[in-house]
Amino acid sequence: AQKVTQAQTEISVVEKEDVTLDCVYETRDTTYYLFWYKQPPSGELVFLIRRNSFDEQNEISGRYSWNFQKSTSSFNFTITASQVVDSAVYFCALGSGNTGKLIFGQGTTLQVKP
Amino acid sequence: DVKVTQSSRYLVKRTGEKVFLECVQDMDHENMFWYRQDPGLGLRLIYFSYDVKMKEKGDIPEGYSVSREKKERFSLILESASTNQTSMYLCASSWDFRYTFGSGTRLTVV
Repeated sequence: AQKVTQAQTEISVVEKEDVTLDCVYETRDTTYYLFWYKQPPSGELVFLIRRNSFDEQNEISGRYSWNFQKSTSSFNFTITASQVVDSAVYFCALGSGNTGKLIFGQGTTLQVKP
Repeated sequence: DVKVTQSSRYLVKRTGEKVFLECVQDMDHENMFWYRQDPGLGLRLIYFSYDVKMKEKGDIPEGYSVSREKKERFSLILESASTNQTSMYLCASSWDFRYTFGSGTRLTVV
C-alpha cells in the first residue's frame, strides 16, 4: 500500500527562524514521484517541487530546500529565514503507476509570527 | 494562463438534495481528479478519470458518482447530500503527474 505521513500537524515559528517540515512515504514501486504543495489561506494549491525516485540530489530554490533520502523514505522540506508569507498548509504527495494518482499526506500547518 | 475552473467557490445545500460540482480544464489533459480535503486528513481521492466516459473509484467513492462526457469537463455528483459530505472539494487535471488544481468548492450540507 502507498502512504504519505506528515507527522507534524502544526508548527509555529517566529519570523526569520528556519523550519523543517517532515515527510515520510511508503511505496513498493521502484519508480515514483514526490511532491510538495503549498496551500495559502486563499485555498488554491501551489506546486513547489517534484522529484523522481532516481534523483536523490537535494535541491535548493531561494529560501526553500528539499532533502530526499531513499534510505529512510523521507522527503523533507526546509524553509530558511521564514517569513510571514510562508504561513500556509503544506502537503507532501506521492505519485506512481500509470493512473496519475497522487497520494497526499495529512498536511502541516505552518504559522510564521512576526 | 492554463486553468482548472470550478463553477462554485461556496455552496450550501440541504440534506437529501442532489448536488453537482462542475470542473472544467483548458489544457487538453487526459486525467482529471476529484479530491476532498478535511482538516487532519489531507486530500483524499474520490474519483478520477483518464479518458472521456472512463472513471475509476478512488479511496472514498461512497456517496459520490462522476460524469465525464467531454474531455474538458469532469462533474462530481452527490446523489443525496448528507452532512458528512460537508467539506472542501478540489478538482485537478494532470499530464505526466503535472497537476493543476482548481480553487476549490467549499460545500456545506445543512
